[in-house]
Amino acid sequence: DIQMTQSPSSLSAFVGDRVTITCRASQSINTYLNWYQQKAGKAPKLLIYGASSLQSGVPSRFSGSGSGTDFTLTISSLQPEDFVTYYCQQSDSTPLTFGGGTKVEIK
Amino acid sequence: EVQLLESGGGLVQPGGSLRLSCAASGFTFTSYAMTWVRQAPGKGLEWVSGISGSGGTDTYYADSVKGRFTISRDNSKNTLWLQMNSLRGEDTAIYYCAKSFGGTYSPIDYWGQGTLVTVSS
Repeated sequence: DIQMTQSPSSLSAFVGDRVTITCRASQSINTYLNWYQQKAGKAPKLLIYGASSLQSGVPSRFSGSGSGTDFTLTISSLQPEDFVTYYCQQSDSTPLTFGGGTKVEIK
Repeated sequence: EVQLLESGGGLVQPGGSLRLSCAASGFTFTSYAMTWVRQAPGKGLEWVSGISGSGGTDTYYADSVKGRFTISRDNSKNTLWLQMNSLRGEDTAIYYCAKSFGGTYSPIDYWGQGTLVTVSS
C-alpha cells in the first residue's frame, strides 16, 4: 500500500498569511494526488485534484503543485473560513490512502 | 443536485454485523464508481472500500476490512451498500458514502452526511 505523509500535522497562522502544506507519497504516484478540506462536524470537500486542478467553485487562493512523490497545497492569503483541517489522498492505486491531516489554527 | 443519504448505522456488539445503505440521487448512478470512507472519533480519514460503476466483482478494500466487509451496489435502485461482519472496536467511526469523479481511481467529488457506527459491548 502507498503511505501518504502530511506535514506539518498542525500549524498556526494569521489571517492573510500564505501557508503551505506538504504531502509525501511512499512511492511515485505521478500526479494522482487530491486535496480535501474538512470543517468540524462536516463531510470533507474536494479542493484540488490531479495535483494542481482546482475543483469547480473553490476559491483561487487555493493551489496545488507537485508530481512523483512530493506535493504541496498552498493557500495564498488565509481567510477566517480556512482555519480547518486539510487532507491529501492518492488515487494512483488501491487502497486510495489519505494523509494524516493538517489542522490550520488561527494565531 | 447530487444527494447521498446513508442509513443503517448504530450500536453493535463486537463480533456483530451491520449493513449500511446509501441512497443516491441527482446523477447517473451507473456511470460513477462509489466509495466508503470512515473517520474514527477525533481521527483522520480512512478509505474503506470502492466499487466501479458496473459493480460486480470490480471491488476494492482496505487491508483493515478485507474479508470482513463487502461492498455492493444495485444500479436499478441507485443504492450502495456496505455489509460489515465480525465488527471490532476499531471499526467505530462515522462512515461516509461518497461518489467518485469518474472511475475507481478518481477523486471524490460528493460526500454524504455520514452515519455513525459504534462497536461496543
